[in-house]
Amino acid sequence: QQKVQQSPESLIVPEGGMASLNCTSSDRNVDYFWWYRQHSGKSPKMLMSIFSNGEKEEGRFTVHLNKASLHTSLHIRDSQPSDSALYLCAASRNYNQGKLIFGQGTKLSIKP
Amino acid sequence: EAAVTQSPRNKVAVTGGKVTLSCNQTNNHNNMYWYRQDTGHGLRLIHYSYGAGSTEKGDIPDGYKASRPSQENFSLILELATPSQTSVYFCATRENTLYFGAGTRLSVL
Repeated sequence: QQKVQQSPESLIVPEGGMASLNCTSSDRNVDYFWWYRQHSGKSPKMLMSIFSNGEKEEGRFTVHLNKASLHTSLHIRDSQPSDSALYLCAASRNYNQGKLIFGQGTKLSIKP
Repeated sequence: EAAVTQSPRNKVAVTGGKVTLSCNQTNNHNNMYWYRQDTGHGLRLIHYSYGAGSTEKGDIPDGYKASRPSQENFSLILELATPSQTSVYFCATRENTLYFGAGTRLSVL
């Protein structure tokens, strides 16, 4: 049973458009969320993290977290072809140790 | 940036054979992880470790053993490899976030 669910499974966005990705944990004890990006044939790399309710922005990327519903979302504005990748959401009960569980990912394709 | 080196990068094994995947890190991180990645499943946690001598079961440990003989090295062992273990395996260390190695592509025929 997947404890971290991501939606949609895949997403096509025109270049310059907004991409919105979702992630929800069914484990009520998680407190920490990360978003990773994985380009084809490469290893995942951390994109953003969020641990408190609210919003966090870094350049074109914004993450939201609602701890009551254990839902996080990633929004990419002005999408570029280089944003085409698999986006993975991960959740953990602890900040620096223990299990870090991933969702199944959202495959984002940016159409020129 | 964390340096995590996996070997081999590619491996073809026979069903029933023994396979050892190795991971070495040079950043003195206590926590190390083994994941496998299959299409449609994201990354699934196999085993992890808090430090030398420690191994913990992840979500899908069946058919796998892990060994952490030192701070730097963490191995994943398939004693009797099966075709269902064909996958891409990632080792990672953790300090706040995960730092991944380049991955090992394993095919069990």
